[in-house]
Parts: sequence; structure tokens; C-alpha cells
Amino acid sequence: GQQLNQSPQSMFIQEGEDVSMNCTSSSIFNTWLWYKQDPGEGPVLLIALYKAGELTSNGRLTAQFGITRKDSFLNISASIPSDVGIYFCAGQDTYTGANSKLTFGKGITLSVRP
Amino acid sequence: DGGITQSPKYLFRKEGQNVTLSCEQNLNHDAMYWYRQDPGQGLRLIYYSQIVNDFQKGDIAEGYSVSREKKESFPLTVTSAQKNPTAFYLCASSIGTHGNQPQHFGDGTRLSIL
Repeated sequence: GQQLNQSPQSMFIQEGEDVSMNCTSSSIFNTWLWYKQDPGEGPVLLIALYKAGELTSNGRLTAQFGITRKDSFLNISASIPSDVGIYFCAGQDTYTGANSKLTFGKGITLSVRP
Repeated sequence: DGGITQSPKYLFRKEGQNVTLSCEQNLNHDAMYWYRQDPGQGLRLIYYSQIVNDFQKGDIAEGYSVSREKKESFPLTVTSAQKNPTAFYLCASSIGTHGNQPQHFGDGTRLSIL
């Protein structure tokens, strides 16, 4: 089946630094989503991407939909302590009609040192 | 407030017992989903429903059952046939299952075995 690869599993950065995460797939997706999950809570949608090459920002977050449609990147600028959490990418193949489902990566745990 | 409500937050199951996890949404979304999350893993789809009185198996449906009698409710039953039920269970909903309709999540239920 489809798989999304996120690595490394954990990242440690200093407050104020920028950080970049990527997500790669063996299959093409037509929608890419980035979620953040805090401990004991559900994932919260950060950014949604719907077009190859699309670059979208949400405050200090910027995400891009790769041209090949097999990857996506999330950048966080000027990190702050509340950026700590697990960041998941998810891909959706919308061309399979009404039964299209999300495929999730395993997530990257981000730690921010004050 | 509009959103997705999962209850209870924590649930304990005895061996051989069925337990039911509640998921309610007041977003008027047609589609609802149940995911299982294990430590260090991405989200895996258990069941999903695109419309009332209809639902489909996801990737790991064995040992689980669902019903969709009302648009706003999608309860998940973890049966005694599920031999490894300890996990964090997440419910999600979306307007539909097509593109441009991202999934939004509840805050989860943590199920443990006594």
C-alpha cells in the first residue's frame, strides 16, 4: 500500500531557529496536508496544499507541494517553545473518487530548547 | 462551539469485554472517520462513513465495529476480538471525502486494558 516517509523521527532545535521537515511518498498524491499534535490531543490542521508546486504560508509556517506530487515540505521559522509537538504529513489521492482516504506519515517529534 | 467531541477521554477495558467510544460532531459534516494511533506510529484508519447508514472498512477493521444512525454520531465499538486494543483512538470528520475537504480531529480517547 501507499506509504509516507518522514524522517528523522525526532528533531531538537534552539528557540529562534528555523526548521524544515519533509515528507516523501512512493506514490503520487493530489492533496497534501500538514497536522500538528500536542500530547494527549488530536491533530490540528496547519496547512492544506491542493496543487503541485503550490507554496502556502500560515504565519511562521510555510509548506510546499512538490512538483513531482510525491513530496511536500514544511518550514517553521523563528521557532518558539509552543512549536513543540508531533508534526504529521498526510497525502490524499483524490482521483480515486469518493473513497479517497488519507495516508499518514509516522510523524516527527519536534523539541525546542529555550 | 462547533467541533468534534470524543468521550470518554480515558477508558479501561477488562479482558473479554466490549467497549464503545463516542464521537459526536456539530459541524454538519457528511463524512466521519475512526483512526488508531500507537506510539511512534502514524494514524491508521479503522472505519469511515461517507453518509448516514453507510460505512466502509479501513485498513485495520478487524475486531472493531461501527454504526452511523445519525449524521452527527459515529460510535466505535472495540470488541473482545481485538486482541491488542490499547491505543489512542481518534475520530475525525470532513465535509465530504473529495479533494479540498480536509479532515478535522477530536481530542481522542485513550483505551487501556485492565
